[in-house]
Amino acid sequence: RKEVEQDPGPFNVPEGATVAFNCTYSNSASQSFFWYRQDCRKEPKLLMSVYSSGNEDGRFTAQLNRASQYISLLIRDSKLSDSATYLCVVNIFTGYSSASKIIFGSGTRLSIRP
Amino acid sequence: DAGVIQSPRHEVTEMGQEVTLRCKPISGHDYLFWYRQTMMRGLELLIYFNNNVPIDDSGMPEDRFSAKMPNASFSTLKIQPSEPRDSAVYFCASSFDDLRGGNQPQHFGDGTRLSIL
Repeated sequence: RKEVEQDPGPFNVPEGATVAFNCTYSNSASQSFFWYRQDCRKEPKLLMSVYSSGNEDGRFTAQLNRASQYISLLIRDSKLSDSATYLCVVNIFTGYSSASKIIFGSGTRLSIRP
Repeated sequence: DAGVIQSPRHEVTEMGQEVTLRCKPISGHDYLFWYRQTMMRGLELLIYFNNNVPIDDSGMPEDRFSAKMPNASFSTLKIQPSEPRDSAVYFCASSFDDLRGGNQPQHFGDGTRLSIL
């Protein structure tokens, strides 16, 4: 089983729709979580961090469920410009004397149609 | 502020040649990562450094790949000899650890598009 798993998609939704996707992780020592966005032929860019209490940034909402070990990303009122691949990132803090372990999911492709 | 700087942006070379990719992380970041991305395999972590020391190189595909970080502001990823299957986009990223709960987000360079003929 992969340490971080995402539905690869593609998710194809109409403009204005709400879309959500999850990312599951297997290591309970995972401490910090992020969503990245990657456009075609570009580098991944940080979209938002995911906080324990959940957080919102405009049309984007991120949630963390530690009990079930997944994070989610919800996009409301989707725009054509939201079309991209969304990568989840899990950071496993291995201890103060050790370096952290960072794992990227394989990404979920999202396509917004007019 | 300057972000992560990678060079070259594009490289086309014949198989068997040595390829050297370069990366300058963001000043003050103590983690540096090398990734490879292809359509088939997605984004793969090759190796990462913490305070210039290689921590995990389990993603390095084989002995033809090597990475160094001689100082906090420079790293190289070398492929010798190169093969067509090494064609990919190679990203370098950097971040810092706040030592409280883990690593801060990674910042990526623009990548090097490598084509081995």
